[in-house]
Amino acid sequence: AQKVTQTQTSISVMEKTTVTMDCVYETQDSSYFLFWYKQTASGEIVFLIRQDSYKKENATVGHYSLNFQKPKSSIGLIITATQIEDSAVYFCAMREGNSGTYQRFGTGTKLQVVP
Amino acid sequence: EAAVTQSPRNKVTVTGGNVTLSCRQTNSHNYMYWYRQDTGHGLRLIHYSYGAGNLQIGDVPDGYKATRTTQEDFFLLLELASPSQTSLYFCASSERGDNQAPLFGEGTRLSVL
Repeated sequence: AQKVTQTQTSISVMEKTTVTMDCVYETQDSSYFLFWYKQTASGEIVFLIRQDSYKKENATVGHYSLNFQKPKSSIGLIITATQIEDSAVYFCAMREGNSGTYQRFGTGTKLQVVP
Repeated sequence: EAAVTQSPRNKVTVTGGNVTLSCRQTNSHNYMYWYRQDTGHGLRLIHYSYGAGNLQIGDVPDGYKATRTTQEDFFLLLELASPSQTSLYFCASSERGDNQAPLFGEGTRLSVL
């Protein structure tokens, strides 16, 4: 069964530092897609970055990058040079490629960036 | 501009009441989804649809009905609302394709007293 787990409930970091948020997943499919989203204080949910299971290279978009460790079923989100406006809740999600028709989400990690 | 619009944004009803949440997307997307968000549970899928007239159940469908009347419009119905359905509800839409990230609406906060 498809499952996504985020064990970090909240993280606090200093501005301009690098933070990594963890996510592990379970799937029986050989093909799957992993996503990270950001939910701002206003409630808006925004897609950030995606990793396709068949790609070995870690995805990077702006100051977001992924640490994809397939043998460990892990997909960490790395934010470099954090800014105050990165403070938000971050969700990891997975969609199976062969049998999945929708994404399942983790429970989220609340990130606070302090000056 | 791609958009998913939900209405109402806030709703208060009483136990046993009838509630309809509306969602409209102007993205020509095939897929539409209804999620609920609760503390400690993240986002959980209630119902989704491939297109007009199609309906699929998600992970937490009990107590909810949905209807996709057109490509653009997807409705979530609570016919006998219960306090356990107090939640933040999100509608989303996406292109066909497993690697497509849904575009989310602004959310509807529902309180069942």
